[in-house]
Amino acid sequence: GAGVSQSPSNKVTEKGKDVELRCDPISGHTALYWYRQSLGQGLEFLIYFQGNSAPDKSGLPSDRFSAERTGGSVSTLTIQRTQQEDSAVYLCASSLNSNTGELFFGEGSRLTVL
Amino acid sequence: GDSVTQMEGPVTLSEEAFLTINCTYTATGYPSLFWYVQYPGEGLQLLLKATKADDKGSNKGFEATYRKETTSFHLEKGSVQVSDSAVYFCSTSYGKLTFGQGTILTVHP
Repeated sequence: GAGVSQSPSNKVTEKGKDVELRCDPISGHTALYWYRQSLGQGLEFLIYFQGNSAPDKSGLPSDRFSAERTGGSVSTLTIQRTQQEDSAVYLCASSLNSNTGELFFGEGSRLTVL
Repeated sequence: GDSVTQMEGPVTLSEEAFLTINCTYTATGYPSLFWYVQYPGEGLQLLLKATKADDKGSNKGFEATYRKETTSFHLEKGSVQVSDSAVYFCSTSYGKLTFGQGTILTVHP
């Protein structure tokens, strides 16, 4: 598609369940980023992928969070044993490469953990 | 690491008022600087950018100048409109993009 696509747009889950969030970046973009936006908070960096390089995982808040990017395109963010504090909007973005700084964002996946 | 300090909001203005949202950064090297905007119900989008010192980014009547001496990238608009109501994020790039906390702008008719 023309833009960054994220799914699901909304996810409600129970505490302790695992969730997967998907991101389909713009075709040809080699860099892919995950951010988290909590209510009243700014954008919290989680992880980014640049081409075939090892991802920068420095923002992942705990080992319950992981992400992969298959074939240099689609990415999945997985949260295991969800907690209420994981409730947030998870934003995916892509860019031509990590040096341009011009990110194109998806509309986000809103996660609510009950 | 790189960081951005953004003027805390929210900011409430009347239509046609002058807007300034302050942003300062700390970074090693010479990063590019950006302002992103998030309109209600929409995703973040790039508003403007500057890639080197003294560059001025501009778009939709908004301007920001990359000031290396003061490490600042303040956002300005001479006459705001109701449609400018949104959340504004300053960011710096050196690899991954680092964002400020965001400033909520509300413009009343």
